[in-house]
Amino acid sequence: SAVISQKPSRDICQRGTSLTIQCQVDSQVTMMFWYRQQPGQSLTLIATANQGSEATYESGFVIDKFPISRPNLTFSTLTVSNMSPEDSSIYLCSVVRRDSYNEQFFGPGTRLTVL
Amino acid sequence: GQSLEQPSEVTAVEGAIVQINCTYQTSGFYGLSWYQQHDGGAPTFLSYNALDGLEETGRFSSFLSRSDSYGYLLLQELQMKDSASYFCAVRDGRAGGATNKLIFGTGTLLAVQP
Repeated sequence: SAVISQKPSRDICQRGTSLTIQCQVDSQVTMMFWYRQQPGQSLTLIATANQGSEATYESGFVIDKFPISRPNLTFSTLTVSNMSPEDSSIYLCSVVRRDSYNEQFFGPGTRLTVL
Repeated sequence: GQSLEQPSEVTAVEGAIVQINCTYQTSGFYGLSWYQQHDGGAPTFLSYNALDGLEETGRFSSFLSRSDSYGYLLLQELQMKDSASYFCAVRDGRAGGATNKLIFGTGTLLAVQP
């Protein structure tokens, strides 16, 4: 398995502000992803975090709103910018390891509430 | 559009067998995965089917029929700890090969009763 940590685990923010979520993995992985999950709902892929280059965003998600960095193989950040209450959700990072290509390992998530 | 449909809720008793179905309609397909998520926890991988047929892993089995765009997760000898949400997820694929992008289903909340 892969040990994945996310910071912060939860936060309450005011509308109009930004929050940066960190994802750290204990071993080198091939791919990293960011998902959003509203309570009681399914997971929606936001983007693929590419090492050293711009992330690949899914339909409905844009870089200005969700800038992502991945400076190395084990670390990525997701920023939720200019937040509104609609951004209240759980944000999860996930990774794929070279030796377990069919499986994604998920971080514990960051629970964000925007007031 | 892309959709993966699952029953929203299933209830069963300890020791029973339950089947959670998943029908999908996606523009690309490379395989079907199943994930378990306990309340407040992270999703954890259960199984992956790339080819038609049944894959068995302990008490859990997963089935895929690509021609029917259908799969299911079978849980046997249910235990209380199996109470969780279960998600099917299509591994996206294109002509150039598989990606690791996952498109998740709507999710099924399984309640196991004593």
